[in-house]
Amino acid sequence: AQTVTQSQPEMSVQEAETVTLSCTYDTSESDYYLFWYKQPPSRQMILVIRQEAYKQQNATENRFSVNFQKAAKSFSLKISDSQLGDAAMYFCAYRSPLVGNNNDMRFGAGTRLTVKP
Amino acid sequence: DSGVTQTPKHLITATGQRVTLRCSPRSGDLSVYWYQQSLDQGLQFLIQYYNGEERAKGNILERFSAQQFPDLHSELNLSSLELGDSALYFCASSVGTLKNTEAFFGQGTRLTVV
Repeated sequence: AQTVTQSQPEMSVQEAETVTLSCTYDTSESDYYLFWYKQPPSRQMILVIRQEAYKQQNATENRFSVNFQKAAKSFSLKISDSQLGDAAMYFCAYRSPLVGNNNDMRFGAGTRLTVKP
Repeated sequence: DSGVTQTPKHLITATGQRVTLRCSPRSGDLSVYWYQQSLDQGLQFLIQYYNGEERAKGNILERFSAQQFPDLHSELNLSSLELGDSALYFCASSVGTLKNTEAFFGQGTRLTVV
């Protein structure tokens, strides 16, 4: 079964600096989807960025970008120019292409990001 | 607004009681997932439905049950409630094709068992 591992329970960054959150996953599938979700103190789950495994180009969304290393099964999130509003829990997620089957969406345990002013 | 509606937003009940949490997925979404999140914890997968059928079970207690109805809304039933069941319960939905791949989350139902 696919598993998602976030090895950093907590991270902190100085405002305006850059921080990278790590995520690794285990799968035997060749095509899949990866996501980063943000959960601010409001507890709402917000999609930050997505990556299709068949695309070699790393996804970017404004200050958020990923480093997708398919062979290493690594999917890290880089936040540039960190802002106080970036403080949240961040979850890495894996989506199987076999939609509808066997819990096709799996989440890591989360990384709590603190932004220091 | 994600398009996923969960009711109620807050629920306070006593130990031993039974409650029902409701989820209306985004229009057209066939998959519904239920997650439990205790304070400062990750998302614990409970159960998944796809077009009315149960597709996967996670760490769901026998006291908990769920179903997805023909109109695709879903209900999570929690019975014989214990203090430890206090948590935020999320519903998420996704479409059953590969075009829109992410799961969209509702605002959650905060359950407090006293």
